[in-house]
Formats: sequence, structure tokens, C-alpha cells
Amino acid sequence: AQKITQTQPGMFVQEKEAVTLDCTYDTSDPSYGLFWYKQPSSGEMIFLIYQGSYDQQNATEGRYSLNFQKARKSANLVISASQLGDSAMYFCAMREQTNFGNEKLTFGTGTRLTIIP
Amino acid sequence: GAVVSQHPSRVICKSGTSVKIECRSLDFQATTMFWYRQFPKQSLMLMATSNEGSKATYEQGVEKDKFLINHASLTLSTLTVTSAHPEDSSFYICSASSLGQGDYGYTFGSGTRLTVV
Repeated sequence: AQKITQTQPGMFVQEKEAVTLDCTYDTSDPSYGLFWYKQPSSGEMIFLIYQGSYDQQNATEGRYSLNFQKARKSANLVISASQLGDSAMYFCAMREQTNFGNEKLTFGTGTRLTIIP
Repeated sequence: GAVVSQHPSRVICKSGTSVKIECRSLDFQATTMFWYRQFPKQSLMLMATSNEGSKATYEQGVEKDKFLINHASLTLSTLTVTSAHPEDSSFYICSASSLGQGDYGYTFGSGTRLTVV
């Protein structure tokens, strides 16, 4: 079963507008972490923001904020005042325990965001 | 901040040959290294997890004899694709984990684009 779901394969947004990228997750662990990464065409994974399951407040990092709704198991990324450089692939990921005692990241299928001038 | 250096960034090899990809943590000790594969326009799929000094644990469906992982030190992990075939062509990316380092514990390399001809 898919643990991280990103339902928007692609989005087009006008420059300077805000954009929300959806992410829902599924876990039975009480302790987990949610991440958002940006992957430009060069391929590197750029960390954007993190939300812990016990964090009381929504995480914010500059123009990025995470709309964390624990009961709905959603962790949407909000980018304010979008810029042309925001055009990239965006991945939601969840940290979860493995059967071997490690913690690993499981990624969603991603959303390709294109900012239109 | 924490940096993981991954080399080579791009490699083309002939079918049947082996290719080695290196990931080095430059300014921290990586207790755990994760290796991912990403096919074009798809998500990152975890291949294996390695702890320093231990054998790697492979995800279901990943051939351990084909994808050899060595994590002999806290700063170096290697992935060797043995007897590569065109279907192994993909983007491979490592992620080093160490509590208290990186972006909430995970630092990614810049990736290796492997093309097997």
C-alpha cells in the first residue's frame, strides 16, 4: 500500500502567486517525520522543510510552509510568492522505522511544478 | 553544513562491465547510508541501507549480487553495479544519515546518472 500519496503529477502556476502541493501519508507509528524536497533538472535533492509528528506548530522556512493536519494525515507544502526558479519536481517523504531498526525515507511520486512568467 | 560528495556525476559504460559509485561524507560521520534509484520521471526507490561495518540490507526485489554495497568506514560508502545491462541505466543517489547532522538527519549526494550502452 502506498504510504505517501501525491495526487498532483503536474501543476502550472503564475509567477508571484502562492501554490499548494498536496501530500497525504499513511502510518500507524505515533512518531514519524515528514519532509519536502525539491529536485531540479540537475537531479540533486534539496531539503525544503521538515515536520515532526509531535510538533504543535506548522513548520515554516522562508517562503515555504507546511500545512500539517495530523487527523487527516496530510502535510501539504505551501510556497508563497512563487518564482521562476521554483520550477522543479517536488517530493514529499516520510521517515519510518524499518524491520531492521533503521529509519528510512519513503518518497511520494512527486509533483512537477512549472512557474509561468 | 553537512555535505555528501558523490562521484562520478555521470558515467557511460558498456554492457557487461561493472561500475563503482562513491559517496563520501565530508564533514561528518555517516552511520547509515541509503542508496536510491530513480528512473526518468519517477520517484526515488530505496535499494538498500547500509550501516558502517555491517552488511547492507536490501529492499525486496533488489539483487544483492548485482548491486554490491560497501560501507567500510564512517565516511565512505560505495555502490558497485556488476555486469551492468541497459536496463540498469538510471539515476542513482545516496543519502547519509547521522543524528544531529544534515537536514534533520539526511544529507543527499548529488547523484550519478548511469547509462549502459
